[in-house]
Order: sequence, then structure tokens, then C-alpha cells
Amino acid sequence: NAGVTQTPKFRVLKTGQSMTLLCAQDMNHEYMYWYRQDPGMGLRLIHYSVGEGTTAKGEVPDGYNVSRLKKQNFLLGLESAAPSQTSVYFCASSYGSGGETQYFGPGTRLLVL
Amino acid sequence: AQSVTQLGSHVSVSEGALVLLRCNYSSSVPPYLFWYVQYPNQGLQLLLKYTSAATLVKGINGFEAEFKKSETSFHLTKPSAHMSDAAEYFCAVKGGASGTYKYIFGTGTRLKVLA
Repeated sequence: NAGVTQTPKFRVLKTGQSMTLLCAQDMNHEYMYWYRQDPGMGLRLIHYSVGEGTTAKGEVPDGYNVSRLKKQNFLLGLESAAPSQTSVYFCASSYGSGGETQYFGPGTRLLVL
Repeated sequence: AQSVTQLGSHVSVSEGALVLLRCNYSSSVPPYLFWYVQYPNQGLQLLLKYTSAATLVKGINGFEAEFKKSETSFHLTKPSAHMSDAAEYFCAVKGGASGTYKYIFGTGTRLKVLA
């Protein structure tokens, strides 16, 4: 049982390049989330999904797109990376919509030059 | 909009001293409340959570938190700090005005434990 995994762990991009971050969970969770973590700002929700084939915008969605084609995977895309997107990205998942615990991946550190 | 406030971005305590990390939330409806811990270069892991059962919640590693509706607070405490408690701690709220899907996180408190 691997929990939540994220690929890659670290990436350097040049401004304007694109990339996709992959999140996978093996806990059969319905809900999945993408956050970014910046110093002094806590975690901010980018996009989330309440089930396979569904996605919704969070607090800071601009510049990002997501897809949830399979229940276990949640992809975060950057179409044209900008230095402001330099951050640590965390994926999380949870079972239900109540007081369920969120389980986090180890994070992806992204540097955009 | 629902929010979470963590007072003190940095807290230092001596080893063996009481740990108190403060969290206040804004919600017209009692929400679900969580404390997470993040060790360097790792993801967040759950310490404890309040889901409308007992107001005093016990978590892992000797931590506990008390839900006080009248004060809209959910402060985290530990009687005696260990060096291994040095980490960043996040309070989060779910439910209430933010709906049942989203978790709202505070900005975090970095705990330093002095020998």
C-alpha cells in the first residue's frame, strides 16, 4: 500500500515550457486535491476532484489545468510555466466528504527560471 | 469566507516545556477541524481531528487539542516538548461555509525546540 505518490519529485523548467505532474493513490479514494505551498502562505488549493471524470477550481486555479480520467490518478498540467509558479506542489486524497482525513503525497518541488 | 488563523508563524519552546500552538477559525456552523504536521521535505500527516464527537481530541505523539465553540478555537497542546517535535504545524478546517469538499489551511506555525 503506497498511499499517495507524486511524480516527479523535482523539476526545473524554463519560462514558457509545459509539464504535467502526476498524482496516484491506491486507497480507492473518491476525492483528490492539488495544492501549492509557498513560504508564509500555507497550502492553497489549486484544483480538486470529487470523482472520476470530474474536476473543479480551487482558490488559485489560473495557469493550471487538471484531469481525472482514472479514479486513482489526478494530473496537474502547466501549459506555459511562469516564475510565479515556482513552488512545492502537494497532492492529497480523501475517502469522503465528511470529516475524512486527507492523505498527502511527498510533494513535487518545481523551479521555473 | 471561511478562514483559519494561526497565531505566531514561529514558536520556540525548551525541551520538556509545554507546547501551545493556536488556531482560530471563522464559521457560522461548527466545522471539521484538523491539525497536520510537516517535517522537512515531507508531505503533511495528520496529528488529530475534531468531527463533532468529544471536544477534547487526542492525537499521535502525545498531542491533543480542544474544540471551543464559544471561542472558535482549536488550539494544539503537548505537555512536554521533545526535540523530535520540531516541525511545521498546520491547522485546517473543512465544512461549514466552505462546503463539504474543501479543506482550508492556516499559514502554519514552525515549532523550534531548544535543548
